[in-house]
Amino acid sequence: NAGVTQTPKFQVLKTGQSMTLQCAQDMNHEYMSWYRQDPGMGLRLIHYSVGAGITDQGEVPNGYNVSRSTTEDFPLRLLSAAPSQTSVYFCASSRLTGVGEKLFFGSGTQLSVL
Amino acid sequence: GESVGLHLPTLSVQEGDNSIINCAYSNSASDYFIWYKQESGKGPQFIIDIRSNMDKRQGQRVTVLLNKTVKHLSLQIAATQPGDSAVYFCAVISWGKFQFGAGTQVVVTP
Repeated sequence: NAGVTQTPKFQVLKTGQSMTLQCAQDMNHEYMSWYRQDPGMGLRLIHYSVGAGITDQGEVPNGYNVSRSTTEDFPLRLLSAAPSQTSVYFCASSRLTGVGEKLFFGSGTQLSVL
Repeated sequence: GESVGLHLPTLSVQEGDNSIINCAYSNSASDYFIWYKQESGKGPQFIIDIRSNMDKRQGQRVTVLLNKTVKHLSLQIAATQPGDSAVYFCAVISWGKFQFGAGTQVVVTP
């Protein structure tokens, strides 16, 4: 019963490098999302997807890309890493969105950009 | 604009006492509310939820109260234990979208 799996757990990048954070869920959830968590800021939505082939921007999308080619996977791409992207990143999924639907979170990726 | 806030960044509680964590929201159209617990180094985990047509819901040692008049909800933890030490988030769902508060750190002291 894996739930939401994120890799890697930790990553250090140099400014300008690119990388992909992986997220996979085995619950057949339609809704998947990426959040970043910064001290005192709570969880801020980066991008989300309501199903395979459909993605949309959240409140802080700049500098990030996503795609959803399968129901299970929702990778987050950093195109050219900046120190401002140092954060903890969480992937979350739910069956659908709306009343009664609970978000299930992965264990997070700690990213440092030097 | 819409906001979700918590009243205190840190709550220190003696083991065995009750804890109360508060959350205010601004959107009167919000129709679903969730409390999450986040332990150090882990992702948030669901604790309890409440729909807007209710004002109280109880779980195991936890109770959520919702006051729609003043747009306020609270999480009460009975007989707080060391394992309750964590950051607690409220999440408000409006028009199908989740919005999270900044979190309250609960520290349980012996």
